Amino acid sequence: DTAVSQTPKYLVTQMGNDKSIKCEQNLGHDTMYWYKQDSKKFLKIMFSYNNKELIINETVPNRFSPKSPDKAHLNLHINSLELGDSAVYFCASSQNLARGYTFGSGTRLTVV
Amino acid sequence: GQSLEQPSEVTAVEGAIVQINCTYQTSGFYGLSWYQQHDGGAPTFLSYNALDGLEETGRFSSFLSRSDSYGYLLLQELQMKDSASYFCAVLNNAGNMLTFGGGTRLMVKP
Repeated sequence: DTAVSQTPKYLVTQMGNDKSIKCEQNLGHDTMYWYKQDSKKFLKIMFSYNNKELIINETVPNRFSPKSPDKAHLNLHINSLELGDSAVYFCASSQNLARGYTFGSGTRLTVV
Repeated sequence: GQSLEQPSEVTAVEGAIVQINCTYQTSGFYGLSWYQQHDGGAPTFLSYNALDGLEETGRFSSFLSRSDSYGYLLLQELQMKDSASYFCAVLNNAGNMLTFGGGTRLMVKP
């Protein structure tokens, strides 16, 4: 199936821990994104990579570090997790934004 | 920066027509998109308008007026499965990023 797949789907962890979310797309898109959706469903961009290069970093704390080993993968590592990091994190990819993003199914992160 | 305003909630009955409005204030504008998100699901792309006017795709249409910084999504012949959140999103003038509105929760009743 052609898609954007991210793992894990659910992540429950304690404050202070470090965790990673993985994202892969097999659509051949050049650009990948991380978005955070909070409890009020507000979607906010975090990072964007084009062909492995960081092009957008929207004032995200340094505890969040994206890594793109190749243009099909964009992973998100979060250090020293805080309660406020609890949200749904969506990976997305796009070739042409006029045709829209393709989103992954989301990772629901709960920090306790 | 970008800011987008859309109603937080709209209710309509099956078979009716509903219009979800979106006004935006941006420092740069390339186009307006609409996305649908069912509870627990991922946002999915519905439409994109770069030019003024109405774009129709089946039961859904999207309108843009650049001079008024305004657009809307029109849903016709509403079905129960249309109950979802609908987001407008502005494409910045670099064409490389979408900024989303807060979403409109549409409830379709029998």
